[in-house]
Amino acid sequence: QKEVEQDPGPLSVPEGAIVSLNCTYSNSAFQYFMWYRQYSRKGPELLMYTYSSGNKEDGRFTAQVDKSSKYISLFIRDSQPSDSATYLCAMTADDKIIFGKGTRLHILP
Amino acid sequence: ETGVTQSPTHLIKTRGQQVTLRCSSQSGHNTVSWYQQALGQGPQFIFQYYREEENGRGNFPPRFSGLQFPNYSSELNVNALELDDSALYLCASSLTGVETQYFGPGTRLLVL
Repeated sequence: QKEVEQDPGPLSVPEGAIVSLNCTYSNSAFQYFMWYRQYSRKGPELLMYTYSSGNKEDGRFTAQVDKSSKYISLFIRDSQPSDSATYLCAMTADDKIIFGKGTRLHILP
Repeated sequence: ETGVTQSPTHLIKTRGQQVTLRCSSQSGHNTVSWYQQALGQGPQFIFQYYREEENGRGNFPPRFSGLQFPNYSSELNVNALELDDSALYLCASSLTGVETQYFGPGTRLLVL
């Protein structure tokens, strides 16, 4: 079993819809949970990071962590064509960081 | 405040050659991490430098080596290049921890 699992997609949704992106993990030692956005041929851009279970909101983005289920989510409200990118989840334990494979998201105008 | 920069942007090498990639950290950041991202995959951690000392290493062979300089800029060296080394190489800098690291645009390496 891989430490971090993320569906690669692609996921296509119409503009304005709510997008839900998810990752599961197996290592209960993971402490920080991050979401990155990566446009084609660019480096990843940190969107949000969380430490504890629960929700964290930043503008149109909400990160959710459920440590009991080992499951994290990123919700994007009012999705825009400019949100089309690959979204990577990442997790850390003792300065070791593991990334998911990324989910390719297409927002259809 | 300048962001993380990397050079060169693209590079083509042949199998067996050696390559050096460079990274300038975001101003004030004392920690640099290097990652390898193969096509369609997430970044894989190579190693991290904190104040010029290696501070953690992923599952990469010794032919991957690095340096961090007093101004916190960094180099990644890869010897005896293999075809599977073709990837996007990313560096990221941080001040407080990897959970708040910022990535550069990457160097795309093609090994023929």
